[in-house]
Amino acid sequence: DAGITQSPRHKVTETGTPVTLRCHQTENHRYMYWYRQDPGHGLRLIHYSYGVKDTDKGEVSDGYSVSRSKTEDFLLTLESATSSQTSVYFCAISGGQGLDTEAFFGQGTRLTVV
Amino acid sequence: GDSVTQMEGPVTLSEEAFLTINCTYTATGYPSLFWYVQYPGEGLQLLLKATKADDKGSNKGFEATYRKETTSFHLEKGSVQVSDSAVYFCALKKGGSNYKLTFGKGTLLTVNP
Repeated sequence: DAGITQSPRHKVTETGTPVTLRCHQTENHRYMYWYRQDPGHGLRLIHYSYGVKDTDKGEVSDGYSVSRSKTEDFLLTLESATSSQTSVYFCAISGGQGLDTEAFFGQGTRLTVV
Repeated sequence: GDSVTQMEGPVTLSEEAFLTINCTYTATGYPSLFWYVQYPGEGLQLLLKATKADDKGSNKGFEATYRKETTSFHLEKGSVQVSDSAVYFCALKKGGSNYKLTFGKGTLLTVNP
């Protein structure tokens, strides 16, 4: 299994509070991604990183920010959590050496905003 | 923009039945195509892939052929098992996109004994 760990695995938080999710990898992969999974929507890209301190927005980035200060860690922050951000969040990593390169996914973080 | 459309679920089959999950895509250029599988309570894992037209990806009895003329990548298995019950996602990846995956909405497959 690819060395990718998400924390926490489950979290319940109140509306308006900031929340940070962590993705940690031991594969030294260049690319890291945050997706959210919602019924009827599949997986949608929130933000991604193509190197330390190099990040960019995905298709559903509003209300989220990210940081990558080390190769191994990619943090996703919900600046002020809302009920619409209740979701399962997945981190993925990829070596990105070619179009056929596999992406490896973490186990997911189930976030509930009440 | 790029997009992936896969058949709406859920799909319910009996063990040993034939499976087809349709997937079509819209993209400029020449994307790579993937099928990922998600078992209950887990993250996604790669099932198979194809990188150019007429390539066939295969794994664990599943197959899919990259058809550029119909922009399709349908997933098939000749005889499903209860253990195949999962959500299946079709996805594409293009060059110049920082290797981002674009996913379909997923298809839930339930196989009954």
